[in-house]
Amino acid sequence: DGGITQSPKYLFRKEGQNVTLSCEQNLNHDAMYWYRQDPGQGLRLIYYSQIVNDFQKGDIAEGYSVSREKKESFPLTVTSAQKNPTAFYLCASSMAHGLAGGRSYEQYFGPGTRLTVT
Amino acid sequence: AQTVTQSQPEMSVQEAETVTLSCTYDTSENNYYLFWYKQPPSRQMILVIRQEAYKQQNATENRFSVNFQKAAKSFSLKISDSQLGDTAMYFCAFMKHAGTASKLTFGTGTRLQVTL
Repeated sequence: DGGITQSPKYLFRKEGQNVTLSCEQNLNHDAMYWYRQDPGQGLRLIYYSQIVNDFQKGDIAEGYSVSREKKESFPLTVTSAQKNPTAFYLCASSMAHGLAGGRSYEQYFGPGTRLTVT
Repeated sequence: AQTVTQSQPEMSVQEAETVTLSCTYDTSENNYYLFWYKQPPSRQMILVIRQEAYKQQNATENRFSVNFQKAAKSFSLKISDSQLGDTAMYFCAFMKHAGTASKLTFGTGTRLQVTL
């Protein structure tokens, strides 16, 4: 079955430690995205990538880093510079980067990772 | 910058009844997409329905339909014959049209509870 996997479902870290969240997709999608969700707020975009070896900052990129070495993978690192890292993190992918026609622009989401930093 | 507003933090509906969730947005764009996503307790984001702004006809997907008023920048979701499985957070989202970043801008969500 094609889909997006995020692991682990729950992650705990001590303050001051970097932590990397995994996101893998086997949908052959070109574009991938990372969102953060906090209570009472909608999702906010952290980083996105249109193609391999290319990525752009979203609205709240400070304290985060990403890489896109493979089409299938888009890991997110939450660094110690992120002031409020505790949140629910969602990865998404889409077939193309907003191309006209069809449904290539639709984003499909993974199950998410709940990160708790104490 | 685009903004999406969902003014109903919580709503409740009885099973088999109809409920409408509100969403307004602000943009200077003429071409864009609008979406409703459902997030059940599992927290998986599920696409419910989509609307292309250049289409005048309102989108429908089984029990789900939208009322898209482009001039008013309004995009409400109607759920007919509500079922217990419809209990979830519902998010309205905006995306610019092709050729630009496919960034989704989300509203803050409406928590819908379907009761017996």
